[in-house]
Amino acid sequence: DVKVTQSSRYLVKRTGEKVFLECVQDMDHENMFWYRQDPGLGLRLIYFSYDVKMKEKGDIPEGYSVSREKKERFSLILESASTNQTSMYLCASSPITGLSSYNEQFFGPGTRLTVL
Amino acid sequence: GESVGLHLPTLSVQEGDNSIINCAYSNSASDYFIWYKQESGKGPQFIIDIRSNMDKRQGQRVTVLLNKTVKHLSLQIAATQPGDSAVYFCAEKYQGGKLIFGQGTELSVKP
Repeated sequence: DVKVTQSSRYLVKRTGEKVFLECVQDMDHENMFWYRQDPGLGLRLIYFSYDVKMKEKGDIPEGYSVSREKKERFSLILESASTNQTSMYLCASSPITGLSSYNEQFFGPGTRLTVL
Repeated sequence: GESVGLHLPTLSVQEGDNSIINCAYSNSASDYFIWYKQESGKGPQFIIDIRSNMDKRQGQRVTVLLNKTVKHLSLQIAATQPGDSAVYFCAEKYQGGKLIFGQGTELSVKP
């Protein structure tokens, strides 16, 4: 079974702190994704990565950065946390896909971040 | 712009009844759709998927129907059980591996 793990289930930080959210997958997937999930807004894509050291902006990248130094690990960084970044953060991975291939994304359990 | 949406934000059914959750999509070029289930405090879990060259696909107690003419997707759950209570999301695939997710429908099963 695919397993996607996230470093923390719950996290409380203060405004202005630098925050690292870690995600690890054990199925050698090429693609990894970071989403945030907010009531009424569904899942919104922050960043994704198709390969090591590669990253692409999603729909809401402002205030975030990412790092993918190893294939199995994808980190989300909040350079200076703000209260509007309080949210549920979900990491996902999927195998490589081309324009005509099909794939599901496998999700981690999520990290609920509160910024005070 | 392109979007995926759900018709009903909440759905309440009696245990043992069948449930139908609907989803509308607007990107006619989307070629792959997924239904996810998210239980409280957990990440989304894959339920079933369907490619655009199919109209129907069945799994264990679940069926997904795709109507490309009206760009509509539905998830049918047979003999709904309390363990089916969750939020259900549809998602469509676009631009390679990226997915667009709907808002979610909360399914509540009454005993």
